[in-house]
Amino acid sequence: QVQLVESGGGLVKPGGSLRLSCAASGFTFSDYYMSWIRQAPGKGLEWVSYISSSGSTIYYADSVKGRFTISRDNAKNSLYLQMNSLRAEDTAVYYCARGVGSCWGQGTLVTVSS
Amino acid sequence: QLVLTQSPSASASLGASVKLTCTLSSGHSSYAIAWHQQQPEKGPRYLMKLNSDGSHSKGDGIPDRFSGSSSGAERYLTISSLQSEDEADYYCQTWGTGLWVFGGGTKLTVL
Repeated sequence: QVQLVESGGGLVKPGGSLRLSCAASGFTFSDYYMSWIRQAPGKGLEWVSYISSSGSTIYYADSVKGRFTISRDNAKNSLYLQMNSLRAEDTAVYYCARGVGSCWGQGTLVTVSS
Repeated sequence: QLVLTQSPSASASLGASVKLTCTLSSGHSSYAIAWHQQQPEKGPRYLMKLNSDGSHSKGDGIPDRFSGSSSGAERYLTISSLQSEDEADYYCQTWGTGLWVFGGGTKLTVL
């Protein structure tokens, strides 16, 4: 069945880095654009970044531009989010999603704290 | 600016129907949206994509109790025969060039 599984979350100090991964299965990964969305504790959903199916087009929310980098490896059916210069306000559950949001992963928690 | 507006909360009785509203900002009334459900302590679940003409395509396994409709800049999610598991947060979402936008979410309480 269609499945997205995120990994790589954890506790990191302010200013630190973390790399999230999203493993896709059950569909042709290279046919879909992908996105990262986050949800701070007790808050709503916030879009973070988008990457086209080929990886040639990328967009970021203003809140992460210049600090986060999205990428994908279609041969490995995987999506990534490199997060640098992390701040306390980046603390959230991070979800990957397929296309218009037609499939979501279960999320991975990122906590930025000293 | 592309903005989606949702009421923070709604409530309805078990077995009844409820209609949730998502309003697109001025100048964006032709945009399609998606509805997502987030049950407590779970990740979001895709419900449907809803077009401006009211046509919609639901996700796999979404019951017939969930339906969508549109009127102008308003996009609606109707849930009939409410069940206890329908108690959740409901988010609308749309997309423009270079960005996605989420509404603030509506917390639905089933009485």
